[in-house]
Amino acid sequence: AQSVAQPEDQVNVAEGNPLTVKCTYSVSGNPYLFWYVQYPNRGLQFLLKYITGDNLVKGSYGFEAEFNKSQTSFHLKKPSALVSDSALYFCAVRDRMDSSYKLIFGSGTRLLVRP
Amino acid sequence: NAGVTQTPKFQVLKTGQSMTLQCAQDMNHEYMSWYRQDPGMGLRLIHYSVGAGITDQGEVPNGYNVSRSTTEDFPLRLLSAAPSQTSVYFCASRSMRQGVWTGELFFGEGSRLTVL
Repeated sequence: AQSVAQPEDQVNVAEGNPLTVKCTYSVSGNPYLFWYVQYPNRGLQFLLKYITGDNLVKGSYGFEAEFNKSQTSFHLKKPSALVSDSALYFCAVRDRMDSSYKLIFGSGTRLLVRP
Repeated sequence: NAGVTQTPKFQVLKTGQSMTLQCAQDMNHEYMSWYRQDPGMGLRLIHYSVGAGITDQGEVPNGYNVSRSTTEDFPLRLLSAAPSQTSVYFCASRSMRQGVWTGELFFGEGSRLTVL
């Protein structure tokens, strides 16, 4: 069965400092991996995805994520945090071998960037 | 460019009442889905559809019905609401033309449902 773990309920970082939001996954085969962001009272917005190829993927708003197959991780990173990055972040996974159309989301990590 | 539109944004029901959450998309997406979002549990898939006339169950389908008579619309029906269905509901769609599963999901802004 597919699963996603986001071990931190909340991450606090000062503006200008680097940030990392952690995600680990479990699938039978190879994964498709995604990050989404949710601002207050809004729907989720796509940030970036890993499908194949380069393990470092770049996305919207200066975010990037590194796919690490040996550690089954897909951590979200940004070199310099902004107060406007404060939001709820979700990691999602799908097993390429899964014949269904299900995308499994993690429980979310709240990012708080203080001025 | 409307994208994915959900109505209503807020609804309060009494236990046992029925209602329908509406979802419409104007992007000609084949795939549409309903998720519920609960604190600490992330998003859980309720039902999904890969085209008109085709629906299937997700992780938590009990208590919900769906139908897909057109490409644009994917309503979610609660036949007899229960307090456990208090949640925020999101409709999401994606194109399947880019490949099996590489496209991003587009989400509506959510419908907050309270069942008393």
